[in-house]
Amino acid sequence: GENVEQHPSTLSVQEGDSAVIKCTYSDSASNYFPWYKQELGKGPQLIIDIRSNVGEKKDQRIAVTLNKTAKHFSLHITETQPEDSAVYFCAASIASGANSKLTFGKGITLSVRP
Amino acid sequence: KAGVTQTPRYLIKTRGQQVTLSCSPISGHRSVSWYQQTPGQGLQFLFEYFSETQRNKGNFPGRFSGRQFSNSRSEMNVSTLELGDSALYLCASSSRASGYGYTFGSGTRLTVV
Repeated sequence: GENVEQHPSTLSVQEGDSAVIKCTYSDSASNYFPWYKQELGKGPQLIIDIRSNVGEKKDQRIAVTLNKTAKHFSLHITETQPEDSAVYFCAASIASGANSKLTFGKGITLSVRP
Repeated sequence: KAGVTQTPRYLIKTRGQQVTLSCSPISGHRSVSWYQQTPGQGLQFLFEYFSETQRNKGNFPGRFSGRQFSNSRSEMNVSTLELGDSALYLCASSSRASGYGYTFGSGTRLTVV
């Protein structure tokens, strides 16, 4: 089955700097790659996603890039703010009408220092 | 539009008991998935239901079961609880229209003592 790895497990940045979180996946058939943000006491919230037919996607301060050849994808957060501090999860799946099971990475704790 | 609603938010049970957790998906979402989240193992897939049928199952023992009703609401049951079942149980709903992106509920925090 699919295996998603996420490194490092923690990341600390200064407010205003950029943060990059990387993930690798194992199943070349995976075609859907979402990123989730989880704050304390809440469920994960989808912040951005990308499909395998696209190499990059942006949404304001957040962007995701996908390298299908290397089987890795990254989350880029620019101009970080204290409210970006949370746990971030990457995931991968073979999204189809008959399946939407997501395999998640272990998560990374991002701390933004004021 | 209401989000995914999970009840109860917190539960404390004793070893050997059973528990039932409930999930109401976003209106119109027919797929409901359940995940177990623990500090050590992260988010682990339990099962997925679509139109009252289980179409995916993770690697959990048979003590973990679930079902989905005709209105897409779902329940999961854990029988003969063990200390290791203490976790946050998350439900997520999705649809083809949503591009299969999951919307998670806030979870049920289960503590087994």
